[in-house]
Amino acid sequence: QLQLQESGPGLVKPSETLSLTCTVSGGSFSSSSYYWGWVRQPPGKGLEWIGSIYYTGNTYYNPSLKSRLTMSVDTSKSQFSLSLTSMTAADTAVYSCARHMWSGYFFFDYWGQGALVTVSS
Amino acid sequence: QTVVTQEPSFSVSPGGTVTLTCGLTSGSVSTYYYPSWYQQTPGQAPRTLIYNTNTRSSGVPDRFSGSILGNKAALTITGAQAVDESDYYCVLYMGSGVSVFGGGTKLTVL
Repeated sequence: QLQLQESGPGLVKPSETLSLTCTVSGGSFSSSSYYWGWVRQPPGKGLEWIGSIYYTGNTYYNPSLKSRLTMSVDTSKSQFSLSLTSMTAADTAVYSCARHMWSGYFFFDYWGQGALVTVSS
Repeated sequence: QTVVTQEPSFSVSPGGTVTLTCGLTSGSVSTYYYPSWYQQTPGQAPRTLIYNTNTRSSGVPDRFSGSILGNKAALTITGAQAVDESDYYCVLYMGSGVSVFGGGTKLTVL
């Protein structure tokens, strides 16, 4: 069974950079059928797609976050990462990684449990 | 900027049928948006229900079905149960690698 696990700091100071990593286990990381994505959910609010990355490093970003966002991949460790700069209180959210199917369909089929990131001084 | 719209809340009686919709502030939803639907209970990761408009994900009960109704994507729950009380989100693929979540619908079963 495919599993995804987020890791990273739970607290980030305003104006600093958030770095999160998702580790994938129990399945193939380098497949032509899917990307690997990040989704976030502010407390009490809805879900927001952040971006997705292919195992080759090709990326697609949410246009509203593109200027602050960088995603990367490490196939040797079956990991992909997110870096979000200039964090503000509005970026406080549960950040989840997910497998993003990309083979003629586009949907998320496996999810991590999520990691709460709070932006506060 | 086009926004994906969902009803903020909906209520259904146990055993009843409810249809949640997913639309666009500009334009019509078609199968080319590859609508997908997700169920989320508080504190839990989303669960994939429907993808590619009307394909049920593995293990999803057949009381959940997806379709295009008029100019929107739709999720219908036939014979709603108390366990279906959750938040429901749709996602549309907008092209050029961009996916957008709807604002979500809070479904109450009572």
